[in-house]
Amino acid sequence: GIQVEQSPPDLILQEGANSTLRCNFSDSVNNLQWFHQNPWGQLINLFYIPSGTKQNGRLSATTVATERYSLLYISSSQTTDSGVYFCAGRGGTASKLTFGTGTRLQVTL
Amino acid sequence: EAGVAQSPRYKIIEKRQSVAFWCNPISGHATLYWYQQILGQGPKLLIQFQNNGVVDDSQLPKDRFSAERLKGVDSTLKIQPAKLEDSAVYLCASTPGSWEKNTGELFFGEGSRLTVL
Repeated sequence: GIQVEQSPPDLILQEGANSTLRCNFSDSVNNLQWFHQNPWGQLINLFYIPSGTKQNGRLSATTVATERYSLLYISSSQTTDSGVYFCAGRGGTASKLTFGTGTRLQVTL
Repeated sequence: EAGVAQSPRYKIIEKRQSVAFWCNPISGHATLYWYQQILGQGPKLLIQFQNNGVVDDSQLPKDRFSAERLKGVDSTLKIQPAKLEDSAVYLCASTPGSWEKNTGELFFGEGSRLTVL
């Protein structure tokens, strides 16, 4: 199966700052999603983005499928953005979504 | 629209005991997944169902874990006997459509947190 690497593993931001999270895949993927796991453990869909760019409020994501990476941008961060951000991908004929190890984000006042 | 429902939210058992978790996916979602998330790690797929058939159970420790989705709707995951390393959050997710079409965004339940003492 594919390998998924996320960077950075940890990130501390002051409220209002911007950040970029990266996800690299060992092989091409045809299904890619970003999730936010809040401090209570709930995994929330952020983007389904196998290619291209999407925006949702202060968040946006870009996937460059040919180069096997995806980026998640957080602008004007808020304390409610704290938690762990996961990307997950599925490649080829595989049936399962493989998750990265996550980026733990802490936004401070 | 109701989300993915899971129960119980929390369970504490001693090693060698058994435990069962229940999941009811979003109505109409054909594909159901059970993931195991150990503290500090990303979720790992245990088993994937398409309706009531198993698509992938390659990472399910079949000597102690079992799962079923008899009527193609809700599902149960059982661990018997539990080991200390089974302490984790067990997440259920569902997606509309079949996995082959790769259209499915995954929707997760709140998880069932298991502590094995």
